[in-house]
Amino acid sequence: GDSVTQMEGPVTLSEEAFLTINCTYTATGYPSLFWYVQYPGEGLQLLLKATKADDKGSNKGFEATYRKETTSFHLEKGSVQVSDSAVYFCALSVNDYKLSFGAGTTVTVRA
Amino acid sequence: KAGVTQTPRYLIKTRGQQVTLSCSPISGHRSVSWYQQTPGQGLQFLFEYFSETQRNKGNFPGRFSGRQFSNSRSEMNVSTLELGDSALYLCASSSGREGNSPLHFGNGTRLTVT
Repeated sequence: GDSVTQMEGPVTLSEEAFLTINCTYTATGYPSLFWYVQYPGEGLQLLLKATKADDKGSNKGFEATYRKETTSFHLEKGSVQVSDSAVYFCALSVNDYKLSFGAGTTVTVRA
Repeated sequence: KAGVTQTPRYLIKTRGQQVTLSCSPISGHRSVSWYQQTPGQGLQFLFEYFSETQRNKGNFPGRFSGRQFSNSRSEMNVSTLELGDSALYLCASSSGREGNSPLHFGNGTRLTVT
C-alpha cells in the first residue's frame, strides 16, 4: 500500500538555524507529494506541494524537491523563526481522493 | 473567503452513545473528506464525498459513517462509541476535480469518550 515515512522528532532548534525534515514514500502509482503544517489547536495547512519528479515546491522560505529516484521529498528551510514551531506532516496522494500522511515531526524553535 | 467550519469544537460522550459531527466546506468546494487524528495512529483517512457520493473510504468499522448534502455540507456519525474513538476529527474540503487536489482543513472537533 501507499505509505510515508518521515523523520521522528521532536526537533529543537535555535532561531536562524537550518531545518531539514526527511520524508520518504512508497506508492502504488505516481503520487503527488505534499507538506502540511499544524499549529497548536488548529487544523492542517498546506505548506507546499509537488506533482511530478524534479518539481520543487516552495512557500514561506520552505522548499522540498520531488526525487523519484530516491522516493524522497525532504523539507528544508534555511533560517527558522520561533513562529515556525509546529508539527510538520509529509503526505502523498495517488489521485484517489485521499491523503496518506507520515507520523508528523514536531519542531520547536527557541529564541 | 470563509474557511472550513467544523462544529462543535469539543464533545464529551459516554461509551455506547452515538455522535454526529458537522462540516461546512469552503464556498464552491464540492469535495469533503474526513480524517481521524490520534497520538498513536496519527492521521487516518475516513471517507471522501463529492456531490453527495462517497468516492473513497478508509479502513474503519461500519460504526463510522458519513453523508454529504446538496449544499456540500457534510456530517459524520459514529455509533456505539468506544473509548478508542477519542480523537481529533478533521474535515477538509477541496474542489475535488482531481484526485490529488490540495485539501483545506478545518480546526477539527475534539471528541472525548468516557
